[in-house]
Amino acid sequence: QKEVEQNSGPLSVPEGAIASLNCTYSDRVSQSFFWYRQYSGKSPELIMSIYSNGDKEDGRFTAQLNKASQYVSLLIRDSQPSDSATYLCAVMYSGGGADGLTFGKGTHLIIQP
Amino acid sequence: GAGVSQTPSNKVTEKGKYVELRCDPISGHTALYWYRQSLGQGPEFLIYFQGTGAADDSGLPNDRFFAVRPEGSVSTLKIQRTERGDSAVYLCASSNRGGQQAFFGQGTRLTVV
Repeated sequence: QKEVEQNSGPLSVPEGAIASLNCTYSDRVSQSFFWYRQYSGKSPELIMSIYSNGDKEDGRFTAQLNKASQYVSLLIRDSQPSDSATYLCAVMYSGGGADGLTFGKGTHLIIQP
Repeated sequence: GAGVSQTPSNKVTEKGKYVELRCDPISGHTALYWYRQSLGQGPEFLIYFQGTGAADDSGLPNDRFFAVRPEGSVSTLKIQRTERGDSAVYLCASSNRGGQQAFFGQGTRLTVV
């Protein structure tokens, strides 16, 4: 059973602080990891991808991957009210004919002005 | 086109009826995914196409669901004998190949009454 686990929240963070979103996954052979942002009533929007251990930074966003611990996280620096959304962690499971992104249930992030 | 296009955006149908949902992926993308998202949940994988063939259909819930992609571009998700439990937002995504970042359409909201 391939699973992606996220705390559903809501996670409330004051404006300007760092928001930290966490995700664990069950399959050790996974190679591709993604963070999507989804506003209410909208489709998921890709914001970060990460494929190797360590940190990857893009503007205010940093994705962190630790394959030994099967853990991926997203940090949002200088949080803005517009960052309030549901953040979906997604893992690409490949091989054995079982391809396709598996999503967590998402973490609802609220940035308090 | 510039993005993934899904039609219709909304569909209301009566229980027991047949429906077709269409997805037009980003031009040149060989991988196409169908997901289903219920309120408060992350997207649930249904089927993945690589070109014209279904590389992984393990997410289709039962034999009432079927999808095709005859020319390796547009895909149609077909649901027979719809049930109220089929009500959800059906999302389509495409990527330039399997394992890489996927981009989503705006979804089709299906309501079975």
